[in-house]
Formats: sequence, structure tokens, C-alpha cells
Amino acid sequence: AQTVTQSQPEMSVQEAETVTLSCTYDTSENNYYLFWYKQPPSRQMILVIRQEAYKQQNATENRFSVNFQKAAKSFSLKISDSQLGDTAMYFCAFMNTNAGKSTFGDGTTLTVKP
Amino acid sequence: EAGVAQSPRYKIIEKRQSVAFWCNPISGHATLYWYQQILGQGPKLLIQFQNNGVVDDSQLPKDRFSAERLKGVDSTLKIQPAKLEDSAVYLCASSLGPRGGTNEKLFFGSGTQLSVL
Repeated sequence: AQTVTQSQPEMSVQEAETVTLSCTYDTSENNYYLFWYKQPPSRQMILVIRQEAYKQQNATENRFSVNFQKAAKSFSLKISDSQLGDTAMYFCAFMNTNAGKSTFGDGTTLTVKP
Repeated sequence: EAGVAQSPRYKIIEKRQSVAFWCNPISGHATLYWYQQILGQGPKLLIQFQNNGVVDDSQLPKDRFSAERLKGVDSTLKIQPAKLEDSAVYLCASSLGPRGGTNEKLFFGSGTQLSVL
């Protein structure tokens, strides 16, 4: 079974600064996907960024980028130029490519301060 | 394109009562998921459908929870009877397919917040 661990329950950052959210996972599989989802107070989960395990290049989406360390089973999210709208809960998730089953971490609450 | 629709948005019931949640996935999405999200935790998969067949229900408490996806489109999740510990947000998600490539992205609804008193 896969497990996903987010060791930072809460984090805060000043507007326009950079913050990194940590995620580690455990799996015996070689092919899988990793995701970061954002959940604002509206509760609707929104995909922020995804990474295919077979790709060595780290994924980037505008202000969001990841540091994927496959051997260390680490998948951190970096948010640059933080904006007030980035305030939300962020979940790291692992997806099994065979069955499409996703396992989520318990989340990190990020607060961007003006 | 229309997103994943869920109803109701909120539900308050007393323990031992029954409750049902409804989900309408994005048109054309073959895979549908129900997640339970307890306050302060990440979503936990309850059941995964591929069209109208069950792919994974290993974490569904089958003595009280049931789910169906008739005709491979809409789905309902039922709890009967409810317990206090069932208080949570129930999220529905859908994706194009179960396998990799471009089909693995999950689209989520806004969830149903259930309070069991």
C-alpha cells in the first residue's frame, strides 16, 4: 500500500515571497504519478501540478514548480511570488498508474499574509 | 464544460438515520470516485467505479455504506445507519479513464458536508 506524508500541518508566507511545501511518499512501484492539489474554503479540489515518475525533469506551471527526488521519494512544491489567493489547503497525492487509485496526504494549510 | 456536480451541499442528520448523496460526473468521464474527507485529514478513497463496474471498494464500510453507478453516469452514495464518526465531507471526482497518460487528472465536485448529531 502507498502512503503519503506531509510533515507541515501549517505554513505561512509573506505576499510576493517564496514558500516550499514538503511531501514524502512510500511505494514499491516504479511507474506512478504525483500531484499537488489546492483546496480553498469552497472545498473544491483543484489540480495545481502533476509529475510523471518516469520523467526526470521537474514539472513547472507558472509560479508553481516541484522538486521531484525519486530515489528519496520526495516531492516538494515551491510557490514563487506568493499571492493572497494562494491561501488554501494543499494536498500531495500519489496515483497508481495501473488502477488509477489515488492516495492523499493529510494536507498543509498555507496562509499568505499581506 | 460543466464540472462535477454534487448535491446536497450540506446535510445534517441524527445518528442511525440514513442519508444519500448524488454525483453527476463530467460528461464522457469513465471513472468515478467517492472520497471521505474528515476534518483535518486528506481525502480517503471509499469506492472507485469504471463505467458502472466497481474497481476498488476495499475501504468502503460495507455494513453501512453502499454506492451505485447506474448506466455508468450518475452515482449515489448511501449511508444507513449513520454514525457520529461519519461526519465528514464526501467528495466525488471523475476522470477520463483509470490509466496513465492524459487521463489521470481528477476533477472534483464541491462535496457534501455531512454532520451526524
